[in-house]
Amino acid sequence: EAQVTQNPRYLITVTGKKLTVTCSQNMNHEYMSWYRQDPGLGLRQIYYSMNVEVTDKGDVPEGYKVSRKEKRNFPLILESPSPNQTSLYFCASLGTGTATNEKLFFGSGTQLSVL
Amino acid sequence: RKEVEQDPGPFNVPEGATVAFNCTYSNSASQSFFWYRQDCRKEPKLLMSVYSSGNEDGRFTAQLNRASQYISLLIRDSKLSDSATYLCVVKGGGTSYGKLTFGQGTILTVHP
Repeated sequence: EAQVTQNPRYLITVTGKKLTVTCSQNMNHEYMSWYRQDPGLGLRQIYYSMNVEVTDKGDVPEGYKVSRKEKRNFPLILESPSPNQTSLYFCASLGTGTATNEKLFFGSGTQLSVL
Repeated sequence: RKEVEQDPGPFNVPEGATVAFNCTYSNSASQSFFWYRQDCRKEPKLLMSVYSSGNEDGRFTAQLNRASQYISLLIRDSKLSDSATYLCVVKGGGTSYGKLTFGQGTILTVHP
């Protein structure tokens, strides 16, 4: 089954304690990205990657790191989490065969709370 | 001006009504356009891509107007199950190639 697997589903942590949210896709997609969703602000792109070893900043990259060492995985790293990073996070990959069949596949989301 | 703007609503309509959402975008080089549906705090799911010629899928019709830089979604014969948040998504071009920007979402509630 084609899917994006994101873990953990829920995470509570304390300020300053490094954490990683994992994301993996089994569709051989080149494009992957991370979003955070906050009330009234919609989904905002944190980072995206158009291929292995290629990453670019989205709209809200501050406080986050990503890596793309292999095509299937795109982890999101918070080196020193702060309370303003409490949010709902989504990972997604994009099928880009042609413009007519582009489709974002989303993971189930990670609800992060930083105390 | 925001890159992608939607009327957040909420839209409250009776079953059977026709409702339309608009979404404007600022980057004229934008390449691809989509409408996604999101149920409460779940992952967004593709409703339909938006093509230059306009496209229809059952009760849903999407239109793209490149000259005016907006996309629209029309829902006919609304069902209770259509209640959700509708997100427009724009894939950038030019210097923003590959960047995906979401509108803030339009909340739709269909009531009996």
